[in-house]
Amino acid sequence: QKEVEQDPGPLSVPEGAIVSLNCTYSNSAFQYFMWYRQYSRKGPELLMYTYSSGNKEDGRFTAQVDKSSKYISLFIRDSQPSDSATYLCAMGTGGYNKLIFGAGTRLAVHP
Amino acid sequence: GAVVSQHPSRVICKSGTSVKIECRSLDFQATTMFWYRQFPKKSLMLMATSNEGSKATYEQGVEKDKFLINHASLTLSTLTVTSAHPEDSSFYICSASGRTYEQYFGPGTRLTVT
Repeated sequence: QKEVEQDPGPLSVPEGAIVSLNCTYSNSAFQYFMWYRQYSRKGPELLMYTYSSGNKEDGRFTAQVDKSSKYISLFIRDSQPSDSATYLCAMGTGGYNKLIFGAGTRLAVHP
Repeated sequence: GAVVSQHPSRVICKSGTSVKIECRSLDFQATTMFWYRQFPKKSLMLMATSNEGSKATYEQGVEKDKFLINHASLTLSTLTVTSAHPEDSSFYICSASGRTYEQYFGPGTRLTVT
């Protein structure tokens, strides 16, 4: 079993839809949870960073962490074609330790 | 937000030559830098972790004599691919962590070995 599981998609939605992206994990020691967006042939861009459980909102993006279920989510409201990218979840135990990445979910938002 | 640059963005080299890729944190001091490799439509594969002034820690299966990493200052790390072969062709991405532990990624370097 992988430490972090993420459905690779692809996920195709119409413009304006609410998108839900999810990851599950097995290591209960993970404390830091991040979501990155990666456009084709570019480096990943940090979207959301959450410590421990709870919700965090930034504009159209909401990140949720449920440590009891070992499940994290990223919601995108009012999705736009410019949101079309690969979304990677990542998590770590803290400090400068390495992050463990999910496989990435490819999202396509069509007009 | 924190900015990380990489140079060059693209490089084509002949088999047997060495290539150096630079990773710089432009507006923060990077205590730790990471080097990743990414194949098309695949996730990131961590190659090594480097701390300023220390030897890099390589992931299992990564040849440290082939992928030389130097982290000489708090804003610069370099990856040198020695005696490159076509199978080393890939997208190489660095990331940097400062005081707040988040990793910020560079734009990546596409290496093609002919």
